[in-house]
Amino acid sequence: GEDVEQSLFLSVREGDSSVINCTYTDSSSTYLYWYKQEPGAGLQLLTYIFSNMDMKQDQRLTVLLNKKDKHLSLRIADTQTGDSAIYFCAEKGRGGYNKLIFGAGTRLAVHP
Amino acid sequence: NAGVTQTPKFRILKIGQSMTLQCAQDMNHNYMYWYRQDPGMGLKLIYYSVGAGITDKGEVPNGYNVSRSTTEDFPLRLELAAPSQTSVYFCASSSTGGGSVAYEQYFGPGTRLTVT
Repeated sequence: GEDVEQSLFLSVREGDSSVINCTYTDSSSTYLYWYKQEPGAGLQLLTYIFSNMDMKQDQRLTVLLNKKDKHLSLRIADTQTGDSAIYFCAEKGRGGYNKLIFGAGTRLAVHP
Repeated sequence: NAGVTQTPKFRILKIGQSMTLQCAQDMNHNYMYWYRQDPGMGLKLIYYSVGAGITDKGEVPNGYNVSRSTTEDFPLRLELAAPSQTSVYFCASSSTGGGSVAYEQYFGPGTRLTVT
């Protein structure tokens, strides 16, 4: 089946790096995504990675993909208070309508 | 572009009442979706549509109905509201391809619904 799992909470100090982890079950997933949800807002796409890539870097964000272990991570360098949010991992599921399977979300708290 | 818009932002319903949550997108996307988000849970797909006149059930369709008469609009209807439908509802849209290489979904700001 299709399932995505994430840890629920992460607390980091401002200026440190944050690493949010995710595991998924469908080895045929072609795209994996990270979405950010700020309080009271909708989900915003942060970044994505195609399944034939191991790593993708975009400014402070680094995505690592380990296909063998079906493990995805998001690293945020120099974490700021504005990074406090819920981060959702998602995989593109089977089906012809761009189906997404979401994890439960990791709440990132950044403290001084 | 406004992207995906949803109205209302908040609503309180009494048990047994009905309402329609509105969703519109101006990106000419063929695919549209309705999700609900319960506290501490991921998003669950209620219904989706692959084009005007075509809708299908997602994981949790019971208690809801949808229609898609135009590409832009995808309203969600709640009949006989129940406390279990208290949730935050998100509408999203997605392109079939072309410029959107990663097939990502774009989300509206959500409607927070309480049924008491």
